[in-house]
Amino acid sequence: QSVLTQPPSVSAAPGQKVTISCSGSNSNIGNNYVSWYRQLPGAAPKLLIYDNDQRPSGIPDRFSGSKSGTSATLGITGLQTGDEADYYCGTWDGSLSAVVFGGGTKLTVL
Amino acid sequence: EVRLVESGGGLVQPGGSLRLSCAASGFTFGRYEMNWVRQAPGKGLEWVSDISDTGSTIYYSDSVKGRFTISRDNAKNSLFLHLSSLRADDTAVYYCARYSYNRGYFFDFWGQGTLVTVSS
Repeated sequence: QSVLTQPPSVSAAPGQKVTISCSGSNSNIGNNYVSWYRQLPGAAPKLLIYDNDQRPSGIPDRFSGSKSGTSATLGITGLQTGDEADYYCGTWDGSLSAVVFGGGTKLTVL
Repeated sequence: EVRLVESGGGLVQPGGSLRLSCAASGFTFGRYEMNWVRQAPGKGLEWVSDISDTGSTIYYSDSVKGRFTISRDNAKNSLFLHLSSLRADDTAVYYCARYSYNRGYFFDFWGQGTLVTVSS
C-alpha cells in the first residue's frame, strides 16, 4: 500500500465540483509541499498543482489545491467529461528519503 | 519546448539486465535534478530514483536499491537507469521526469515512458 492515502475513486456529474483527498503524516505532507498530477488513459502523468496550491501555466483555475496539517486536497470545479482520469498526489518523505505518491484516484464524470 | 524521450525498454528474462536512456532537450539539463518513476500495468505511480544536477547525490527506493543504478551525462543531456537482477515485479512503464523546485519539489515534465517487461 502507498504511503499517502487517496480514495480509489470519486465521481460527480458534469458541471459539478469534486474534491480528492490525500492523507499522510508529519514525515511527508506535514513538513513538505504537495504536488498533484493527472494521468489520462494511456498517457504520461501531467503536473496540475505544485507547492500545495500553485497552478502551472496552462492549467485552468477550475483546478485548486490546499493543504492542512498532514492532509492535502485537490478540487476540480465545472467538471467535464475530459477530466476523467487518474489523479495522484506526491511529496517528499524525510523519514524514508524518498518521493512518495498516493495510490491514485480514478475520477468518473457521470 | 521541454522534451524528455525515453528508450531502451523491452522484454528481458528474470535475472537479466537492461539500460534505459532519457534524452532531454529544450532546457539546461545540467541545472535540474532528474528522476525515474515507474508504473506497473494497471497500478499507480511508484518513485524509483533521483539524481542531483551534478550527479553527486542519488536516492533509490527500497524496492530497487542495490539492483538499479541511476546516472547522467550532462554533456549529452542524457539520463540513464541501469536495471539488473530483474524480477517479474519490475515490469512497468518507466518514466523519466524533471524535478523542479520552487518552494518545494515537483515533477513538472514527464517523458512518454518506455515499457520494461520481465518474463521468461
